[in-house]
Amino acid sequence: QSALTQPASVSGSPGQSITISCTGTSSDVGGYNYVSWYQQHPAKAPKLMIYEVSNRPSGVSNRFSGSKSGNTASLTISGLQAEDEADYFCLSYTSSNTLVFGGGTKLTVL
Amino acid sequence: QVQLQESGPGLVKPSQTLSLTCTVSDGSISSGSYYWSWIRQPAGKGLEWIGRIYTSWSTNFNPSLKSRVTMSIDTSKNQFSLKLSSVTAADTAVYYCATYRRDLRSFDYWGQGTLVTVSS
Repeated sequence: QSALTQPASVSGSPGQSITISCTGTSSDVGGYNYVSWYQQHPAKAPKLMIYEVSNRPSGVSNRFSGSKSGNTASLTISGLQAEDEADYFCLSYTSSNTLVFGGGTKLTVL
Repeated sequence: QVQLQESGPGLVKPSQTLSLTCTVSDGSISSGSYYWSWIRQPAGKGLEWIGRIYTSWSTNFNPSLKSRVTMSIDTSKNQFSLKLSSVTAADTAVYYCATYRRDLRSFDYWGQGTLVTVSS
């Protein structure tokens, strides 16, 4: 299975909004609402930010939101803060009953 | 909340078998709420899902690793384990154990990760 496609990097200034895309196929992202997003700071374990496309776990800021259109899921972070600078990964369930991650996106807060 | 801790050798020789254990605290491995999972991350690279185990007879693996992966559960010790055979330098990575929640379809708890280096 191939990794989901994410941009290698995105950047934004404090207060701005950014969107990270995650593109797959009809056999994964497009076929199921089982896309989740993870934030990873350097040398730390990933943290769940969004599950089932658009749901936020308790404790995650409402500045983080998710959506999906066709085979592409998106994570939007509004009101960028310095602490948002991290790597972000998407994850999808697949029709083969497996899981596949995106390649990851490095977010830089300028 | 569930706590996870990976343990195992940090150095494995090429062609040998990598063996890691994840100890579960503050939660029962017999709970039907989770798939118990392994994920790895080579230095500076992305996350790669290795596989998951639900019960001793219910497993799913990454197709690219399937021929070399074995997973097991030890309910008496509240642990689950990973074995990866015939390792090469490409298997050098930080290995994480994590819980995949069946209802949320996502990883909600992660171990801190353990670095495994494959080298002679």
